Amino acid sequence: AQSVAQPEDQVNVAEGNPLTVKCTYSVSGNPYLFWYVQYPNRGLQFLLKYITGDNLVKGSYGFEAEFNKSQTSFHLKKPSALVSDSALYFCAVRVQRSNDYKLSFGAGTTVTVRA
Amino acid sequence: GAVVSQHPSWVICKSGTSVKIECRSLDFQATTMFWYRQFPKQSLMLMATSNEGSKATYEQGVEKDKFLINHASLTLSTLTVTSAHPEDSSFYICSANPAGYHNEQFFGPGTRLTVL
Repeated sequence: AQSVAQPEDQVNVAEGNPLTVKCTYSVSGNPYLFWYVQYPNRGLQFLLKYITGDNLVKGSYGFEAEFNKSQTSFHLKKPSALVSDSALYFCAVRVQRSNDYKLSFGAGTTVTVRA
Repeated sequence: GAVVSQHPSWVICKSGTSVKIECRSLDFQATTMFWYRQFPKQSLMLMATSNEGSKATYEQGVEKDKFLINHASLTLSTLTVTSAHPEDSSFYICSANPAGYHNEQFFGPGTRLTVL
């Protein structure tokens, strides 16, 4: 079984401030973890992923995430948010070395960056 | 690379008609494709897993006779919503796994279906 929790429905920050979007996961085994962003009426855009290796993963548009196995977390961060970062963010997980390639998504977090 | 397209991007149809949505992997072969449904401001709900050359695997609660999936080639999967009703109105998104590379799914831009 696998699942993802995004505890915050909404995150509001001022432009230029740090942005954090929280994600915790549950899997039976080692995880593959992903962050996607979705703009209105658009599909999902890939931001970054953790497969193996360094716990700090750097992705697109200045985003990064840190894999924390002990806390089963994979929080998304950006040091200085932009108004254009306002969107819906999804965390997703699947189990490594599984023949089941299905992703489980969190409920999503709406980020609003005010000017 | 790894581009997935969907056609149409939006469609409006009358209740009782059938609608076909195409999902294509443009620059890679996809042995596995996934179909999701998304309601406004909600998460993606996996409807089915589509495997090239075999029957789709549907998630619990998804009517396979209502949502027909065909994955006839390594670059094309289709979702047909049969006898559509207003409650089928939703945003449908497909994704694809490149053959031999299952570490990531690449998502299409989505199709907005509105049933009148």
